[in-house]
This record gives sequence, C-alpha cells and structure tokens, in this order.
Amino acid sequence: DGGITQSPKYLFRKEGQNVTLSCEQNLNHDAMYWYRQDPGQGLRLIYYSQIVNDFQKGDIAEGYSVSREKKESFPLTVTSAQKNPTAFYLCASKKGTANTGELFFGEGSRLTVL
Amino acid sequence: SQQGEEDPQALSIQEGENATMNCSYKTSINNLQWYRQNSGRGLVHLILIRSNEREKHSGRLRVTLDTSKKSSSLLITASRAADTASYFCATEKGGSEKLVFGKGTKLTVNP
Repeated sequence: DGGITQSPKYLFRKEGQNVTLSCEQNLNHDAMYWYRQDPGQGLRLIYYSQIVNDFQKGDIAEGYSVSREKKESFPLTVTSAQKNPTAFYLCASKKGTANTGELFFGEGSRLTVL
Repeated sequence: SQQGEEDPQALSIQEGENATMNCSYKTSINNLQWYRQNSGRGLVHLILIRSNEREKHSGRLRVTLDTSKKSSSLLITASRAADTASYFCATEKGGSEKLVFGKGTKLTVNP
C-alpha cells in the first residue's frame, strides 16, 4: 500500500544529543514537509522540500536540519541547538509542486527529552 | 504565524447532533482545507475548497467559504462517536508552497 512511514514512533533523547527522525514515502510525491505539534496547538512548519537536493526553511527551522538526497526520503535531525525539542513531529507529502493539493501525513514521531 | 484560527477550541455534543466548527484567516488564499486528527495519530485530509467556491459537500461533511469575511465553516451532520477527533483548517496562500494550520477544534461526540 502507498503511504508515508515515519520512524521511530516514540523516541527518547538525553539533553545534548542529536536525533534523526525518518520519513519515507512511496507515493511518488514531489514535495515533502516536516511539522511540529505541541499539546493543544496547531502544526508549525519546520522545513519543506519541493525537489531532490533542495529544501527551504519553514517558520521554526532553528535547531533542526534536513536532507533530501532521494525523492522518497526526507529525514529530520533535531540537534542539540533546539532548546525545547519535546514534541510530536509529523511528516507529510504532496503530489505536485503547484500550490493546490492535499497533504498526506505519516503517523508521527513523538520525541521526549529526558 | 498561524493563518487560520478555529472556533470553538472544544465542542462536546451527543450522537446524532450536528457539529459546526469555524475557521477565520487573515490574508487572501488560494484554497482552504480541513483535516481531521485522531488522538496521537497523523492528520487525514477531509475536504478542499477553492477561493472561487462557496460551498462543498462530501458525505456528511459540508464546508462553506466566505472570502469577504475570511472565514470558513465545517458542518458534520448526524455525528457519530467515531467522529471524535480534532479538526484543523489549513490555508494555502497564492505563490506559497506552505500550508498554514490553525490550532484546531477538539470535537467529542458522546454516545
């Protein structure tokens, strides 16, 4: 079945450690996105990519990094520079790079900093 | 900054009743989308309404868009316990690849 797979579902990190969240899609979608969700809040855009080897900062990119070496994959690294990384992270993709289109979401990764 | 703001923040109704959620936004848009999120899960797309459309239906869902008031509403008719979830509106601005989400309405449908 086509879809977006995020892993791990739950992740615990000690302060000062970098962690990488995986996002893989087999929908042949061009655009991919990373959002952060805090309790009772909406989604805030971290990074997005419209094409392989290219990506743009979203509204809250500080302390995060991404890569887009393959069309199917868009991993997110939460670095030690991110001061409050505990959150629910959602990856999404969209079919084309034109404005109009729905997002397809993965099931999320919950990161907790101990 | 968040473009869309949903109202109310929380809504509790009985099964069989209708549920109405509203979304207001600030700038001109290409389209507005509604998504549903079950607790601890990813979001699922429900419906997209373009800026030149005023109303759209999908099953028990009815969405309206008033661009003059910069607002949209989502109506769920004959609600079921399985409709319990958070509902988010998201707006897509012209010339932007970014979809901006509101904070959501948490709907509880009591059996």
